[in-house]
Amino acid sequence: DARVTQTPRDKVTEMGQEVTMRCQPILGHNTVFWYRQTMMQGLELLAYFRNRAPLDDSGMPKDRFSAEMPDATLATLKIQPSEPRDSAVYFCASGASGPGELFFGEGSRLTVL
Amino acid sequence: QKEVEQDPGPLSVPEGAIVSLNCTYSNSAFQYFMWYRQYSRKGPELLMYTYSSGNKEDGRFTAQVDKSSKYISLFIRDSQPSDSATYLCAMSYNAGNNRKLIWGLGTSLAVNP
Repeated sequence: DARVTQTPRDKVTEMGQEVTMRCQPILGHNTVFWYRQTMMQGLELLAYFRNRAPLDDSGMPKDRFSAEMPDATLATLKIQPSEPRDSAVYFCASGASGPGELFFGEGSRLTVL
Repeated sequence: QKEVEQDPGPLSVPEGAIVSLNCTYSNSAFQYFMWYRQYSRKGPELLMYTYSSGNKEDGRFTAQVDKSSKYISLFIRDSQPSDSATYLCAMSYNAGNNRKLIWGLGTSLAVNP
């Protein structure tokens, strides 16, 4: 049963700490997305990779957020330093090229105190 | 004004009711229209996918697109308690550019037994 795997599921941290979220996309998918979901803003695209190359990270606060794909089986989203306004659920999704669905992980729920 | 508007609800209906969920949008360039379902503490999953105008039916679910009115709908017939979830609409400019998925905020639906 192919699925997108995200860790951690829940993370509580204090302001100023570094947070790293990890994602294992579905094998064979060449596009990977990081989204942030809040009640007020809904799903916001943070970063997008195709064939491991970053194509668009315009939705990501550059001063504190970074996203990478060190290999085809791992995508990371890092926040340093974290702030209370970063509290949200972060989703990773993967898909194949062309029209078709995105497959989402179960999300990483981040709380920054 | 957001590109995609969706009433967040919540919507509460009795089991067996017909449910109508809607989104409006402002950009006539959208060609691909999707409905995702999101259960509590889970990632969104694709429910229906429609290209351009018209209707698409899948079991108890029917998706409608009216490009002249910039309005899309999802109908659920014979609603079940298991349909209780948040329903998100999403739209895309073109097939190969998944990045351009623009999301509604989601409508929370509760189907009461």
